[in-house]
Amino acid sequence: NAGVTQTPKFQVLKTGQSMTLQCAQDMNHNSMYWYRQDPGMGLRLIYYSASEGTTDKGEVPNGYNVSRLNKREFSLRLESAAPSQTSVYFCASSTRENTEAFFGQGTRLTVV
Amino acid sequence: RKEVEQDPGPFNVPEGATVAFNCTYSNSASQSFFWYRQDCRKEPKLLMSVYSSGNEDGRFTAQLNRASQYISLLIRDSKLSDSATYLCVVNKGGSYIPTFGRGTSLIVHP
Repeated sequence: NAGVTQTPKFQVLKTGQSMTLQCAQDMNHNSMYWYRQDPGMGLRLIYYSASEGTTDKGEVPNGYNVSRLNKREFSLRLESAAPSQTSVYFCASSTRENTEAFFGQGTRLTVV
Repeated sequence: RKEVEQDPGPFNVPEGATVAFNCTYSNSASQSFFWYRQDCRKEPKLLMSVYSSGNEDGRFTAQLNRASQYISLLIRDSKLSDSATYLCVVNKGGSYIPTFGRGTSLIVHP
């Protein structure tokens, strides 16, 4: 069972570079999320997509963009990476009926 | 005030101990409540849902107090393998968006 798949698992970027984090789920979930996790801060919501074709800002959207390509895929883009975006990024998905969220394995991003 | 608040700990307990964590939430319209477990450098995984009537799964018991807006997790007979961070998660009413507390670290020692 694949569940939620994120790529890449690790990435080092130089300040100003751009990259896209990929996320795909095979559970036919409507909702997908991107979180970042920093020490002592817990998981903070960057963007979410309640259904295919819609996206909305979360708690910390600045410096990021997202695309809900289809029901399965939800990508996160950093247009110009900054050291403050060094973090662990998690993609998650869920149904809309208040059920649990399933997470990908995370992407460890370092911006130097 | 953060929407979901937890004591970060760490809670350092011996094997066999009983330990309890609390979590408070600010949005009275919240509808769904969960406890997740996160091991070091891993993704969060569902431990258990929290129902209005409370629920128990083996050594783990979760309770919800809507009047005081808090949920709790009780772990009995702690095992070394229970060492992890426990995340309180609240889904806001109407949006289904999981909102996480900062997590409570549990260390179980021999």
